Amino acid sequence: GAGVSQTPSNKVTEKGKYVELRCDPISGHTALYWYRQSLGQGPEFLIYFQGTGAADDSGLPNDRFFAVRPEGSVSTLKIQRTERGDSAVYLCASSGSGAWGEAFFGQGTRLTVV
Amino acid sequence: DAKTTQPPSMDCAEGRAANLPCNHSTISGNEYVYWYRQIHSQGPQYIIHGLKNNETNEMASLIITEDRKSSTLILPHATLRDTAVYYCIAVNNNDMRFGAGTRLTVKP
Repeated sequence: GAGVSQTPSNKVTEKGKYVELRCDPISGHTALYWYRQSLGQGPEFLIYFQGTGAADDSGLPNDRFFAVRPEGSVSTLKIQRTERGDSAVYLCASSGSGAWGEAFFGQGTRLTVV
Repeated sequence: DAKTTQPPSMDCAEGRAANLPCNHSTISGNEYVYWYRQIHSQGPQYIIHGLKNNETNEMASLIITEDRKSSTLILPHATLRDTAVYYCIAVNNNDMRFGAGTRLTVKP
């Protein structure tokens, strides 16, 4: 596809369950970002990958959150033991190596923990 | 933490220029100023960026003060579709952290 794809678009899970959110970046983009956004607030930085490695994971709120990008393209954000406070829209963005800062965002995954 | 400050909301009349200010008084010499906007229920969309010089593209113009401590995004002829939250961020080496942005409402 031409843009950043995130799946699923919506996810409802029970408190305490494990969830995985997937991001397919634009082909060839080396940088990949994860953010989460609560209603009425700006996107909150979680983690940034350059290639396969996490260049900056300082935004992950606690050790229940983990993200991988094993082949330098698709990334998965994993949340263990979900809590109601994890409910938010999770956004993924990617950018090319020659245009850092000019990132393309997906439509997000709306996670609801009940 | 965001390195920029923006007014929480602004209104603009349709067809008029929308001027959105951003303060980045602690910006470092190698940080670019980027602007994004987010229309309801969509992911943020890149608008424009600059380092020192003023920039213009098909969407907007960016005016950066000579001391680089502030900038203004200009939408020359705002339409109802420009109603969105506009984010100004200082970016260095892929470090992109958003603040709360300015909610621009374009009114008919």
